[in-house]
Amino acid sequence: SAVISQKPSRDICQRGTSLTIQCQVDSQVTMMFWYRQQPGQSLTLIATANQGSEATYESGFVIDKFPISRPNLTFSTLTVSNMSPEDSSIYLCSVTRGTGVTGELFFGEGSRLTVL
Amino acid sequence: AQSVSQHNHHVILSEAASLELGCNYSYGGTVNLFWYVQYPGQHLQLLLKYFSGDPLVKGIKGFEAEFIKSKFSFNLRKPSVQWSDTAEYFCAVTTDTGRRALTFGSGTRLQVQP
Repeated sequence: SAVISQKPSRDICQRGTSLTIQCQVDSQVTMMFWYRQQPGQSLTLIATANQGSEATYESGFVIDKFPISRPNLTFSTLTVSNMSPEDSSIYLCSVTRGTGVTGELFFGEGSRLTVL
Repeated sequence: AQSVSQHNHHVILSEAASLELGCNYSYGGTVNLFWYVQYPGQHLQLLLKYFSGDPLVKGIKGFEAEFIKSKFSFNLRKPSVQWSDTAEYFCAVTTDTGRRALTFGSGTRLQVQP
């Protein structure tokens, strides 16, 4: 399994501010993913963060709103910019282990953001 | 693009009842299928997964799921639920496109009454 640590675990933010979430993994991984879980809903993929290249964003998510850094193979950050109450969600970092397409996805405990 | 449907949004069962949660996916190629569970206040955990081979896969805590390719289904089953099975259950899929990220269903909230 993979040990994934996220900071902060929760925060309350004011509208219009930005917050950066950190994700630290206990070993090197090629691909890291950022998901969002809005209240009462399922997980939606925001972007895939690859080390050494720009993140790949899913439809409906843009770099200006959710800039991502991936400086090395064990760390990534997701920033939620210019927050509004609609951004209140749990943001999850995940990584995959294994080769090919059969790797299992492991999740951190998430960062619960509340935007007032 | 692939998608996953979970038709049961909220299921309430008594202890010892049998469970079956539906999961259907839409994708014409090779898929890998997963069931994750999220207990109250905890992070997602993998229950079981299907990559290839025997379409009946067994996971942790007595759960199993059957991959029926002709029906594009991967239903989760447990013969006798316990109160501790109260949780949110998510079906997810990856495909042979090489994109490793999971696509999740909307989830099913299971409530087991003692």
